[in-house]
Amino acid sequence: DTEVTQTPKHLVMGMTNKKSLKCEQHMGHRAMYWYKQKAKKPPELMFVYSYEKLSINESVPSRFSPECPNSSLLNLHLHALQPEDSALYLCASSASGQSYEQYFGPGTRLTVT
Amino acid sequence: EDQVTQSPEALRLQEGESSSLNCSYTVSGLRGLFWYRQDPGKGPEFLFTLYSAGEEKEKERLKATLTKKESFLHITAPKPEDSATYLCAVQTLNTGFQKLVFGTGTRLLVSP
Repeated sequence: DTEVTQTPKHLVMGMTNKKSLKCEQHMGHRAMYWYKQKAKKPPELMFVYSYEKLSINESVPSRFSPECPNSSLLNLHLHALQPEDSALYLCASSASGQSYEQYFGPGTRLTVT
Repeated sequence: EDQVTQSPEALRLQEGESSSLNCSYTVSGLRGLFWYRQDPGKGPEFLFTLYSAGEEKEKERLKATLTKKESFLHITAPKPEDSATYLCAVQTLNTGFQKLVFGTGTRLLVSP
């Protein structure tokens, strides 16, 4: 099974709200990723966790805060977002250590009002 | 700097009309090349991984090939359900094993 699940599917939040996006995989993958995707653009890497430790932060603003509670779960905490942060947020996972393919979840469509 | 260019940007085909999508790359050293399919509003779906020139992989109506400078995704006798955006991505000596450099995709529309 190559499934990555994400919740919620859609999220509308105001600029003063705090919300969280959740991602789960049960493939035994030890690398997990957050991407942001705008319309008609490719996914843009935000964060990478490897063996539950943050290994890459692509200079993402601090209003986005990732968390990896265990090897199967990945969260993205959102606070004081801006309207330009509206996008499709994608989670992915892969085996670690070699050039393995990344498996993506269905995404969370975020709208910031 | 590693670069990936996909062409054409958009492609319209009639059902049954075979064609190819191109992904050309200029990289420091290729570790792997990946093809994904993405439907509107959904996450990319993994299709193929290619590691070395001369390698080919097939799945149903799709066949991916790799040379030292480019990869092709051949679509044989496409059906309307093949309509999607096809993304190419690479991992290189610069990016390591965790980063993907994506092309901007080819939007394919197959008409009945």
